[in-house]
Amino acid sequence: DAKTTQPNSMESNEEEPVHLPCNHSTISGTDYIHWYRQLPSQGPEYVIHGLTSNVNNRMASLAIAEDRKSSTLILHRATLRDAAVYYCILSGSWGAQKLVFGQGTRLTINP
Amino acid sequence: DTEVTQTPKHLVMGMTNKKSLKCEQHMGHRAMYWYKQKAKKPPELMFVYSYEKLSINESVPSRFSPECPNSSLLNLHLHALQPEDSALYLCASSQEGRLTNTEAFFGQGTRLTVV
Repeated sequence: DAKTTQPNSMESNEEEPVHLPCNHSTISGTDYIHWYRQLPSQGPEYVIHGLTSNVNNRMASLAIAEDRKSSTLILHRATLRDAAVYYCILSGSWGAQKLVFGQGTRLTINP
Repeated sequence: DTEVTQTPKHLVMGMTNKKSLKCEQHMGHRAMYWYKQKAKKPPELMFVYSYEKLSINESVPSRFSPECPNSSLLNLHLHALQPEDSALYLCASSQEGRLTNTEAFFGQGTRLTVV
């Protein structure tokens, strides 16, 4: 499984944008980049995923580098509810049946 | 309904007990998963069921026995567990057994304590 590298922790302020980086230098051409987050005492929650182009949804934006060796999850206006562990995961080759979670980034939001 | 429901939410069991964890989804998903999560660690995959057949067993000890009676239901039977098996057990489902371009939905988990 291709590996991702994320900072252990990050801190931001409420109502400010947050940029969560992820490095995946060994990504293959068929790997999708997925982001999940896990709020305290809850199961993981899907955030967004993409292959090559930048992606937006109601929760966040995903910016993917042109060489696909890194990506950034963007929370446009953080709220206290966004405090969670954020996981960047590569899907694996087509037909991959599992999500392999790395250590993730623990995001703290200050009021 | 986009929920994966796990019961019970909490379970305390002795090392000689037999218990079962239950997971249910009504989204028509054909793949279901069990993950184990120790405190302050990421979830680790245990089993994958695809179309009600076991497709991945990540070398899990036989004291954990999964069962998928139908496409909506996934059980995890527990027997002769050890204290180190205490963890949060997470169930997930996805539309198909391929997670390349689709999302997985997770339940809230069962917090298991083995005494």
